[in-house]
Amino acid sequence: GAGVSQSPSNKVTEKGKDVELRCDPISGHTALYWYRQRLGQGLEFLIYFQGNSAPDKSGLPSDRFSAERTGESVSTLTIQRTQQEDSAVYLCASSLGESQHFGDGTRLSIL
Amino acid sequence: DQQVKQNSPSLSVQEGRISILNCDYTNSMFDYFLWYKKYPAEGPTFLISISSIKDKNEDGRFTVFLNKSAKHLSLHIVPSQPGDSAVYFCAARPLGSYGKLTFGQGTILTVHP
Repeated sequence: GAGVSQSPSNKVTEKGKDVELRCDPISGHTALYWYRQRLGQGLEFLIYFQGNSAPDKSGLPSDRFSAERTGESVSTLTIQRTQQEDSAVYLCASSLGESQHFGDGTRLSIL
Repeated sequence: DQQVKQNSPSLSVQEGRISILNCDYTNSMFDYFLWYKKYPAEGPTFLISISSIKDKNEDGRFTVFLNKSAKHLSLHIVPSQPGDSAVYFCAARPLGSYGKLTFGQGTILTVHP
């Protein structure tokens, strides 16, 4: 497809489990971003990858959160030992210039 | 510390009338501003942007106004259409910094036929 693709679209897991979320950016986009949106709130920046530069991890809320990106392609966001407050929609975006193009998100629910 | 604020959680307008969505920011380093529209279960889609060297940018039915001295921007939609019903987010970042965007909390716009 032509857009940003995220999987799974929904994930329900038990507290304490690890989860892995995947993002396929638009081909050719050098920048990739992860955000999360908690219920009723705006988007909260998590991490930003730009080419081969060191990622900007300033938004990661704790060391349970990590992300990787292979070259300028797929990225995975991993949350270890999930907590109920991790429940949110996790959105990935990619860009080549000014505007960021978003995927439809992964809705993560922690029981 | 909410650096980008959208103080109206919701707005309801009649089809054909003007919708005005407001956004305030506190960080004077912000130099580039964007508006995104979001439908339920979909990701945000880019609508329109403005840099601080301008005070107005227009694209069809959408116009964004920037008042730097007041640290305030607004999105005007005219005429409003039922299909415009969505959540609207304003976002900001320092110019030339292709990094993280700081988003407001969003305003739910409902356009009634």
